[in-house]
Parts: sequence; structure tokens; C-alpha cells
Amino acid sequence: AQSVSQHNHHVILSEAASLELGCNYSYGGTVNLFWYVQYPGQHLQLLLKYFSGDPLVKGIKGFEAEFIKSKFSFNLRKPSVQWSDTAEYFCAVKTPNAGKSTFGDGTTLTVKP
Amino acid sequence: DTAVSQTPKYLVTQMGNDKSIKCEQNLGHDTMYWYKQDSKKFLKIMFSYNNKELIINETVPNRFSPKSPDKAHLNLHINSLELGDSAVYFCASSQAGGDTDTQYFGPGTRLTVL
Repeated sequence: AQSVSQHNHHVILSEAASLELGCNYSYGGTVNLFWYVQYPGQHLQLLLKYFSGDPLVKGIKGFEAEFIKSKFSFNLRKPSVQWSDTAEYFCAVKTPNAGKSTFGDGTTLTVKP
Repeated sequence: DTAVSQTPKYLVTQMGNDKSIKCEQNLGHDTMYWYKQDSKKFLKIMFSYNNKELIINETVPNRFSPKSPDKAHLNLHINSLELGDSAVYFCASSQAGGDTDTQYFGPGTRLTVL
């Protein structure tokens, strides 16, 4: 069964710092990869996704993620975080034959003003 | 227009009661899900329905019974509520296949069992 590992459980940064959140998955075949964000008190919403093509994908609010197939990774990055980026971030993986996406345990990002 | 809606938003009830949460999506998706998010923010899938058929049941106690009257609705009924059922329950929908596996989440239902 596929699994998703997010290494950082809680990240605390100051505004303008750079961000990288790790995500590794265990499936060796074709995968669809997602990052979702959950702002305080809100539901999850899509930040960005990778299905095929350019492994560097850009999402909303200046976020990007890079798919590195050899490392089974899909790390999320942002060059300069803002206080409003404080949220829970979830990495998710879906394989073509699976009826569901597998979510990581989430990373809590706190950005200090 | 809300794409995925859930009612109620908050639910406070006593142990042993039976309660239902409703979910509707107006996106025309063929797949709907229920997730449970606990106090540590861990997100666990509970059920998945595709075109009204149950396709995933992730070892959820049989006190939880999903019902899908049509592909736009997926309701969750919980019998004999327990303290450990307190959580936020999210409904989601997606369209299977291709680049449309993105899940769209509802606003969540915060269930508190006293």
C-alpha cells in the first residue's frame, strides 16, 4: 500500500524566510501528487498539483513544488513566507488504480510577524 | 455558489445519541468521500462512494453508516455516539481519472460528543 511521509510536523518561521516542506511517498509507479492547504478554521483547498510534464509546478500564492521521481519526493517551497501562510499543509498521492488519495499527516506552519 | 456543502457546521450532542451529517456537491463529480480530522489535524479517509456505490470502507466502526441517495449527495449517520467520535468531519468530491483527481472539500462539521 502506498504511504506518504511528511517529515516536518511543525515548522516555525519569521516573515520573509524561505520555506521548504518535505514530502516523500512509497509507490514506485505513476502517481498524481498534490499539496493541500488548510487555513485556521477552514477546509482543505488545493495549493498545487502534478500529473505530468514539467516536474516544477507552480501553485497559488507563490508556492511551488518539485517532483523528483528518483527520490520519490514532492517538496513544497516558497521563497518568502508571509504571516498569512500560517496553516496546515498536507501532501497527498494518488495512483491511477486507487480509489482514493493517500494523505500525509500534515505539517503545521506558523509564520511569526 | 458553494461547490461542496455540509450541514450542520457544528454539532454538539450527548454520548449514546444518533446523529446525521449531510453533504451535497454541485460539481457534477462522480466520487464522494468522508474524512475524519482529529485534534492533531490528522486526516483519515472513512468512506468513498463512486456513482452511489461504496468503494472504500476504511475499517470504520459499523456505528458509522454512509448513505448516497444520488451521486450528488453523501450523508453520514452515526449511531450510539462515543466521546472518541469528537472530531471535524469533512466531505469531499472528485471526478475520477486524468487530471481531475483533485479533491474539493466541504467546510467541515465539528462534532463534539459530551
